[in-house]
Amino acid sequence: SQTIHQWPATLVQPVGSPLSLECTVEGTSNPNLYWYRQAAGRGLQLLFYSVGIGQISSEVPQNLSASRPQDRQFILSSKKLLLSDSGFYLCAWSLNSPLHFGNGTRLTVT
Amino acid sequence: AQSVTQLGSHVSVSEGALVLLRCNYSSSVPPYLFWYVQYPNQGLQLLLKYTSAATLVKGINGFEAEFKKSETSFHLTKPSAHMSDAAEYFCAVSAPLGGGADGLTFGKGTHLIIQP
Repeated sequence: SQTIHQWPATLVQPVGSPLSLECTVEGTSNPNLYWYRQAAGRGLQLLFYSVGIGQISSEVPQNLSASRPQDRQFILSSKKLLLSDSGFYLCAWSLNSPLHFGNGTRLTVT
Repeated sequence: AQSVTQLGSHVSVSEGALVLLRCNYSSSVPPYLFWYVQYPNQGLQLLLKYTSAATLVKGINGFEAEFKKSETSFHLTKPSAHMSDAAEYFCAVSAPLGGGADGLTFGKGTHLIIQP
């Protein structure tokens, strides 16, 4: 069966520091991969998605970037964090619907 | 463009009572519809999905939802609430992305509170 791993579970970072969140999927090949952000009271916002290695689409221009160096690995990065980057970040995968989510990373920028 | 409206950011019911969480959608194409549940500090877990087969969809944990095209609704119900049902519930509609990716547009969520 397929599983999705996301780490770290929680992260506290100062403003201006870099960020790297990692997500890996097991048990499937060539999945579509997604990064969502969940802010309090604002639902889920799609940040990036990828349909293949090296193929990244951005839905919202912002301080973040994403990369897919391997088929089942998806990385969310920032060179310099802003206070507004705080939130709950969720990775997800799919193959012909529906989306399956990881357990998320709680990021607090101080 | 697709959109989802969940009526009521908070819903409170007594243990053993009927649970009804409302969801209305807008879609320019025949929609796929989903309900997800989120427990505190966890990811989203799929409860059920509608993909143009039977209009009454049964999911996990005793939940079900009925697709009503005329009302553009996909309300979630459970006959008898349990304390363990307390969580955040999200309705979502399919929003196809480029390259065949399966995007979803989510509602803002409904926090379900179960009173003992």
